[in-house]
Amino acid sequence: NAGVTQTPKFRILKIGQSMTLQCTQDMNHNYMYWYRQDPGMGLKLIYYSVGAGITDKGEVPNGYNVSRSTTEDFPLRLELAAPSQTSVYFCASSPRGGTAYEQYFGPGTRLTVT
Amino acid sequence: ELKVEQNPLFLSMQEGKNYTIYCNYSTTSDRLYWYRQDPGKSLESLFVLLSNGAVKQEGRLMASLDTKARLSTLHITAAVHDLSATYFCAVDPLGAGKLIFGQGTTLQVKP
Repeated sequence: NAGVTQTPKFRILKIGQSMTLQCTQDMNHNYMYWYRQDPGMGLKLIYYSVGAGITDKGEVPNGYNVSRSTTEDFPLRLELAAPSQTSVYFCASSPRGGTAYEQYFGPGTRLTVT
Repeated sequence: ELKVEQNPLFLSMQEGKNYTIYCNYSTTSDRLYWYRQDPGKSLESLFVLLSNGAVKQEGRLMASLDTKARLSTLHITAAVHDLSATYFCAVDPLGAGKLIFGQGTTLQVKP
């Protein structure tokens, strides 16, 4: 079991560029989440998904888009990157909606927008 | 506004000492999570507290939950250097795994 994997590990973007952060889990979890962590801060929820084909906004969704076509994959798309999106991005999954089970986190993607 | 506040934000302590990290939250939540993060690493789940009065212990760490006071504590007993990390609490007020995290408490244990 690889758990939750994320690619790339690091990326530098220029302002206005776009990119997709990949997230895959092999635990057959229904629920998946994207968070961002700014320096010295806690995590903030960007988007989440309760299953294939179903996504919803979290606390800070502006500037991002997601899709969930399979149980395993939950990519996060950044359109028109801005310096404010410089952050570390974590993907997580949970066997249920976190109501009784903790979330399992990937290793993170460190993104810098200059 | 949903708020989760941890206290203190930074804690430097000697090995062998005891201390408590506090996590206050502003809205009803029956579930509370504690995570550990080492520098430059991902988050590791420590405890899931599911009901009022819940207490869980793992090694030198013990977590408790008082939903009436909207307070959780993470108690460290006889700290060792390996416990140096940042500790986050998170609540799940909407019950859908949409976690609200505290700012984190960075613990530094000195030999």
